[in-house]
Amino acid sequence: NAGVMQNPRHLVRRRGQEARLRCSPMKGHSHVYWYRQLPEEGLKFMVYLQKENIIDESGMPKERFSAEFPKEGPSILRIQQVVRGDSAAYFCASSAGVVETQYFGPGTRLLVL
Amino acid sequence: DQQVKQNSPSLSVQEGRISILNCDYTNSMFDYFLWYKKYPAEGPTFLISISSIKDKNEDGRFTVFLNKSAKHLSLHIVPSQPGDSAVYFCAPSRSGAGSYQLTFGKGTKLSVIP
Repeated sequence: NAGVMQNPRHLVRRRGQEARLRCSPMKGHSHVYWYRQLPEEGLKFMVYLQKENIIDESGMPKERFSAEFPKEGPSILRIQQVVRGDSAAYFCASSAGVVETQYFGPGTRLLVL
Repeated sequence: DQQVKQNSPSLSVQEGRISILNCDYTNSMFDYFLWYKKYPAEGPTFLISISSIKDKNEDGRFTVFLNKSAKHLSLHIVPSQPGDSAVYFCAPSRSGAGSYQLTFGKGTKLSVIP
């Protein structure tokens, strides 16, 4: 049973470009969460999605960031017009239910030059 | 504002001895506490949890203690093994609305010396 998959594992972008991060939850999981870890910090909650619905995006920056979890395919975290401050590790987690344990993927390390 | 503090960025322990990792929190609404372990270049892995109705939970070599009045919890690993070398995150949450939002500390890097 494969765990949470994230790709790419590493992503380099220049300022102003777009970054697309993908997350495939564990089989049977329909709840997806995105967290961001800035250097020397703990993980910070960004957004919680279920299939085709954003449930809570209270942790998302108001501009340039968006997330989706379509009926088919992986969840996507999209960052438009990236800036150097977006450089971080982005982790996706999934769970079978909202009160169930969250299982994390290996993360995508984004570097903005 | 840091709701979760892990004041020791790093800890070194001899193999076979006890490792004690501490975590303090300020939000009295937290009532469920998780510990995650993270190896380099991997995502956090769930380790052990405790509900606020308990003051101790044990799972093999891992025991978590909760002191609600002090808003403090600790993770004990005994005996420590080299494979335990990792970063450990304390991650409280609260029941009800927003229970899925884990609030992570900055982590403590544990090094177990053979």
